[in-house]
Amino acid sequence: EIVLTQSPGTLSLSPGERATLSCRASQSVSGSYLAWYQQKPGQAPRLLIYGASSRATGIPDRFSGSGSGTDFTLTISRVEPEDFVVYYCQQYDTSLTFGGGTKVEIK
Amino acid sequence: QVQLQESGPGLVKPSGTLSLTCIVSGGSVISGNWWTWVRQTPGKGLEWIGEMYHSGTTNYNPSLRSRATISIDKSKNQFSLKLSSVTAADTAVYFCASRKMAYYQVDYWGQGTLVTVSS
Repeated sequence: EIVLTQSPGTLSLSPGERATLSCRASQSVSGSYLAWYQQKPGQAPRLLIYGASSRATGIPDRFSGSGSGTDFTLTISRVEPEDFVVYYCQQYDTSLTFGGGTKVEIK
Repeated sequence: QVQLQESGPGLVKPSGTLSLTCIVSGGSVISGNWWTWVRQTPGKGLEWIGEMYHSGTTNYNPSLRSRATISIDKSKNQFSLKLSSVTAADTAVYFCASRKMAYYQVDYWGQGTLVTVSS
């Protein structure tokens, strides 16, 4: 089973700053199989990025994904007030696994 | 757009069986989707339980395979989860969800339902 490790656990930023979230896999993941989600309190996760770099329908272009192999990144170019929530990466090889999450908090 | 809604008891006794149903609207369970269950606990975060395709093919999390059963009811356009021999560690918010065939991300999610295991 591929283990995904997200860092940092908490990211403290001011609105308008750039956010860089990391997801590292215990073994190589095909880019097609890597996704990112946003989760607000009391809600289900929402798909942001799939295939490592493709934005899901309706996702603002301030969100972007990149990476390959074992290292993937979610970038928020300018953090808006509604972006201060939790983000998860996810992969699927023989089974589906999620990372432990990164909380983006207001500095 | 597919919409999903979980239903089932919010309280299950230890050693009992957790049973949840997910009603599918805006789409058909015999379409090209994998029908999925995910749970979330404060301690373990998001955990994939497993998925089923309408052909009957299933995939399960190896750690839960011995206790989890996912099934589809085509006549009611819904799918279900049964998790046997539950303990307090199975207390979680359970989400039903789906991903499109040949894709690897979860596109649609239900709102989630809290299931507590307690006597």
